[in-house]
Amino acid sequence: AQKVTQAQTEISVVEKEDVTLDCVYETRDTTYYLFWYKQPPSGELVFLIRRNSFDEQNEISGRYSWNFQKSTSSFNFTITASQVVDSAVYFCALSEGISGAGSYQLTFGKGTKLSVIP
Amino acid sequence: GAVVSQHPSRVICKSGTSVKIECRSLDFQATTMFWYRQFPKQSLMLMATSNEGSKATYEQGVEKDKFLINHASLTLSTLTVTSAHPEDSSFYICSARDLGDMGQTQYFGPGTRLLVL
Repeated sequence: AQKVTQAQTEISVVEKEDVTLDCVYETRDTTYYLFWYKQPPSGELVFLIRRNSFDEQNEISGRYSWNFQKSTSSFNFTITASQVVDSAVYFCALSEGISGAGSYQLTFGKGTKLSVIP
Repeated sequence: GAVVSQHPSRVICKSGTSVKIECRSLDFQATTMFWYRQFPKQSLMLMATSNEGSKATYEQGVEKDKFLINHASLTLSTLTVTSAHPEDSSFYICSARDLGDMGQTQYFGPGTRLLVL
């Protein structure tokens, strides 16, 4: 069975601080995808990144960066120089079933609520 | 690209009525769409997987006669909450998987807030 753990329920930072959101996953598959989604107060889930299990290269996109480490089964997300607009709930998710006729279901973590204080 | 719309965004109805929620992929085709339910301050709970041209697959504990799903085309799936009751009040979100995307990314709609009085 697959599982995603986001141990941080809520985080508050002051604007311009860096913040890292942790994500630890469990899966028996050797092939899988990891995702991060942002859910602002409006409710819509915004896709941020997808990483497959064969690609451990870290990624940077503007103020966002992701650190994928298979050795520790972690896929952490860092926001540099946080801004008030970053305030949202962030979900880490895992998808298996790439081979065969898998339904590609997502397993979500419980989410981390980030509050950026001006 | 990869835009998913949902309609309505908000609905208030009386107990006993049925409510239909539409989920559309606007700029891509989706053989698979997913319906989630989210309670306040909680994560998303998958209700069912909707496959174009076939019956939906419901998660354990989700009543298929209560939550009717129809996926009639590659761009539209509907969720009908039949005989809604106050306990059905929730935030319902759909997602769609791009047919051409081998990476399995699900793109989400803006959600529908249902309040049953």
